[in-house]
Amino acid sequence: GQQLNQSPQSMFIQEGEDVSMNCTSSSIFNTWLWYKQDPGEGPVLLIALYKAGELTSNGRLTAQFGITRKDSFLNISASIPSDVGIYFCAGQPQGAQKLVFGQGTRLTINP
Amino acid sequence: GAVVSQHPSRVICKSGTSVKIECRSLDFQATTMFWYRQFPKKSLMLMATSNEGSKATYEQGVEKDKFLINHASLTLSTLTVTSAHPEDSSFYICSARDRSAEQYFGPGTRLTVT
Repeated sequence: GQQLNQSPQSMFIQEGEDVSMNCTSSSIFNTWLWYKQDPGEGPVLLIALYKAGELTSNGRLTAQFGITRKDSFLNISASIPSDVGIYFCAGQPQGAQKLVFGQGTRLTINP
Repeated sequence: GAVVSQHPSRVICKSGTSVKIECRSLDFQATTMFWYRQFPKKSLMLMATSNEGSKATYEQGVEKDKFLINHASLTLSTLTVTSAHPEDSSFYICSARDRSAEQYFGPGTRLTVT
């Protein structure tokens, strides 16, 4: 089946540093979504990408839909303590309603 | 963004009983809702896709008679875990999709079967 490879699995950074994570796949996706999940909560949608090459920002977050439609990255600039959590990428395959999720990136920030 | 609610947020039940979890889209109509299960420190595992007015589509390995899904309206889907056993203990999350491809997640339901 289709899979998304998300990396890194975990990150330990200092407050104020920039963060970068990415997802890759061998399959083409029509849509890429990035979510953040806090412990005991449901994922919250951060950014949605619909077109190959699209670059979208949401505050300190920037995400891009790869030109090949097989990858996406998420950058967080000037990290703050509330950025701590697990970040998931998700892709919608062609012709499918469901999403395929990456394994998640656990972000820990040292003050 | 769109709001999705889930009820209850936590439930403890005895082995052999059934538990119903509700998922509601509060400010939009969701023709499609999804039910996920999440194990500790793991990603979300899709259980089934629920379309309003039709039978749910279950993922491979998910027992449809065990996990009953009803999507009776454009704002409500329910998941019933029948004859629950301790191995059914998990974090269950629903999501609802609006006219775009964006899925909005509920806050999750922590099920503990004793």
